[in-house]
Amino acid sequence: DAKTTQPPSMDCAEGRAANLPCNHSTISGNEYVYWYRQIHSQGPQYIIHGLKNNETNEMASLIITEDRKSSTLILPHATLRDTAVYYCIVRVYRDDKIIFGKGTRLHILP
Amino acid sequence: DVKVTQSSRYLVKRTGEKVFLECVQDMDHENMFWYRQDPGLGLRLIYFSYDVKMKEKGDIPEGYSVSREKKERFSLILESASTNQTSMYLCASTGDTNTEAFFGQGTRLTVV
Repeated sequence: DAKTTQPPSMDCAEGRAANLPCNHSTISGNEYVYWYRQIHSQGPQYIIHGLKNNETNEMASLIITEDRKSSTLILPHATLRDTAVYYCIVRVYRDDKIIFGKGTRLHILP
Repeated sequence: DVKVTQSSRYLVKRTGEKVFLECVQDMDHENMFWYRQDPGLGLRLIYFSYDVKMKEKGDIPEGYSVSREKKERFSLILESASTNQTSMYLCASTGDTNTEAFFGQGTRLTVV
């Protein structure tokens, strides 16, 4: 079973920051948080991952709470092309299984 | 560019046929995965492999088998296709532990 909980859907206005929450209250100390997204009819695409520090790359920022029980993916200036299902995944250290939950369907509104 | 390639984008097979779905990666990754994706059910792990000739069952292995004879290739086999195996099938690979997964474009299989 997936170890994360995400809202099923969210809306965000184009040009605004999209903040996608994820709850992973049972995360272990050596588990990483990964985010992927899936645009319609394509395979999932990696976005970002982190252990306990906040991370930023060209696509997004990842904010992990100090207790590591939740995280937020931030898309700083959402565009229509960011419309997708976003998956938050906790990856068990040294276990190669990747288990997806239901994700959050993000709608970007023009 | 790194690539995970699935042999077919669309496939139509008859009930009872033996079906092979092929996946090839060019990143020298150790780990490979097969998922199926259905509306309302998300991505579900069928099988994965962490080395040549090694395989592990995922959450829904029934009705499927896999083969990993070479590091770059991971095949999903439907021994006797049934209509409830109509789905989108996605292959993925990862390298060392905790690196990101790369996915293929998917194979939409219809069993009639």
